[in-house]
Amino acid sequence: DAKTTQPTSMDCAEGRAANLPCNHSTISGNEYVYWYRQIHSQGPQYIIHGLKNNETNEMASLIITEDRKSSTLILPHATLRDTAVYYCIVRVADDYKLSFGAGTTVTVRA
Amino acid sequence: NAGVTQTPKFQVLKTGQSMTLQCAQDMNHEYMSWYRQDPGMGLRLIHYSVGAGITDQGEVPNGYNVSRSTTEDFPLRLLSAAPSQTSVYFCASSYTPRQAKEKLFFGSGTQLSVL
Repeated sequence: DAKTTQPTSMDCAEGRAANLPCNHSTISGNEYVYWYRQIHSQGPQYIIHGLKNNETNEMASLIITEDRKSSTLILPHATLRDTAVYYCIVRVADDYKLSFGAGTTVTVRA
Repeated sequence: NAGVTQTPKFQVLKTGQSMTLQCAQDMNHEYMSWYRQDPGMGLRLIHYSVGAGITDQGEVPNGYNVSRSTTEDFPLRLLSAAPSQTSVYFCASSYTPRQAKEKLFFGSGTQLSVL
């Protein structure tokens, strides 16, 4: 699987959009970008995934650059409950060995 | 639906003791897996299973055994606990990871301390 690089931490103001970057410069054509988050002490929770088109669901939007070497997860209106560690993962669809790195610790402040 | 259920939530062992962490899912998922998470780190895959009777090793399998006799259950066994196995353990499942749309569902974790 391609490696990902994320900032260690970032702060965000409540009610503002949170933009979480992820670099995956060695991504291959059949690898998808996934985002999960882990709220303190809980199991990780799936957020969104995409291949090359931008994606949006009820939780977030995923913007993937045209060359697919980086992506941004957007939380449109961050709340205090969005404080969590966010993991960016790339994998092929049939890869059983999903790997989680250290992620980005996002703190939403009132 | 209960989803992915892990028991116990907390466990303290002495070095050399054995125990089994339980994981059960009621979603008829083919794929189940175990991860461990050490403080301040991401999750590392221990073992996984793509169906009943089939298991395979992940990144950090040493010291752990698994079996998958039913679709629903995927227990993780520590045969002789060591302090290095102090960690939070998460079980996860999905219908099948062969499709990109399939997402992992995680249990709430077991916090294990080995003294």
